[in-house]
Amino acid sequence: GAGVSQSPRYKVAKRGQDVALRCDPISGHVSLFWYQQALGQGPEFLTYFQNEAQLDKSGLPSDRFFAERPEGSVSTLKIQRTQQEDSAVYLCASSSAFVAGELFFGEGSRLTVL
Amino acid sequence: EDKVVQSPLSLVVHEGDTVTLNCSYEVTNFRSLLWYKQEKKAPTFLFMLTSSGIEKKSGRLSSILDKKELSSILNITATQTGDSAIYLCAVRDGGSQGNLIFGKGTKLSVKP
Repeated sequence: GAGVSQSPRYKVAKRGQDVALRCDPISGHVSLFWYQQALGQGPEFLTYFQNEAQLDKSGLPSDRFFAERPEGSVSTLKIQRTQQEDSAVYLCASSSAFVAGELFFGEGSRLTVL
Repeated sequence: EDKVVQSPLSLVVHEGDTVTLNCSYEVTNFRSLLWYKQEKKAPTFLFMLTSSGIEKKSGRLSSILDKKELSSILNITATQTGDSAIYLCAVRDGGSQGNLIFGKGTKLSVKP
């Protein structure tokens, strides 16, 4: 695709609900990143994929967070039993390079947990 | 722990002013520093600075990397209202699988 596409753009969940956020990276990009951006903060790293392999998940805040990229393209970030502190914008970014180069960001999924 | 600190956190100027945004960093194995502009949507890439490319310029925007001082500045001359945004600085650590460590950003507001 022309850019990184994320859906849904907005999600309101009741506390305790499970949510799934989707990222469709730029076609052919091998690297995919998930970031969490709270209001007034910079993006915070969550996890990183190289093709279908999840090489780094050190930023996932708890075991309620799970990400996958089974075919090395589309990725899903799943949050189980959502809590109010999970409210944030979840940004997905992709890159054509393995390590260097710029990251191209999607417009994010804004999650509000009531 | 790797970290990136930006200053000021917010800034209000008038059209035509020149602004300088600051970014300092501490990383184990510096690879590159990137600047992004974030309006109410996706961060968009501005510049990437490395040891072999310490100065970049595009129109009214320019950026310099000072590896000795572990810092970078982003300059915007003749500011316009369309420059209003959050400017994010990010650093890539060579051992981090390409991950970027972001600062909190500088919120720039340009008044007419």
